[in-house]
Amino acid sequence: DAGVIQSPRHEVTEMGQEVTLRCKPISGHNSLFWYRQTMMRGLELLIYFNNNVPIDDSGMPEDRFSAKMPNASFSTLKIQPSEPRDSAVYFCASSHRVGGRGNEQFFGPGTRLTVL
Amino acid sequence: AQSVSQHNHHVILSEAASLELGCNYSYGGTVNLFWYVQYPGQHLQLLLKYFSGDPLVKGIKGFEAEFIKSKFSFNLRKPSVQWSDTAEYFCAVTIQTGANNLFFGTGTRLTVIP
Repeated sequence: DAGVIQSPRHEVTEMGQEVTLRCKPISGHNSLFWYRQTMMRGLELLIYFNNNVPIDDSGMPEDRFSAKMPNASFSTLKIQPSEPRDSAVYFCASSHRVGGRGNEQFFGPGTRLTVL
Repeated sequence: AQSVSQHNHHVILSEAASLELGCNYSYGGTVNLFWYVQYPGQHLQLLLKYFSGDPLVKGIKGFEAEFIKSKFSFNLRKPSVQWSDTAEYFCAVTIQTGANNLFFGTGTRLTVIP
């Protein structure tokens, strides 16, 4: 099992540019989560999907952020336009929800984003 | 709203000292409980989890945690820490029959001095 795969691992971009982060969840998992981690704010849940459907996007900071999950094996988090305060490590995680029970999440290696 | 509290923000210990990190949650229903560890520069990894049964849960690397329902607590313990345990530790809660997301605490940074 390859685990959760994220790309790119590092991204450096200039303010105003569009940034797209990618995630491939563990095969068979039906829930996918996007988190952001910074020194100031810690670990924040941005959005999560169950069976490819966005369930809760209340953590998405602004309209500049959008996330999609076109199929069970792929998700993107897009920032357009990017700003320096978006600099953070973005983690993707997946889990397998069994019945009504929340389960452990498996985290990807993260994408370290730097916006200059 | 559900919340998870980790009162220790930064703990500094010498090697071989015993460790206990506090975690309290606020939710009156049935919960699943987790401890994750994040080593420097790495992603979060599961240390241990509690769903039901024996409230004393053993995890990897000699860690254990005890679920005390009456205190809404799930404290993490290790009898003798090592330098390699230096990391950030996150407590998390998910609600049975609820949405599938985890509610994370703010984390506790552990520094072990050789």
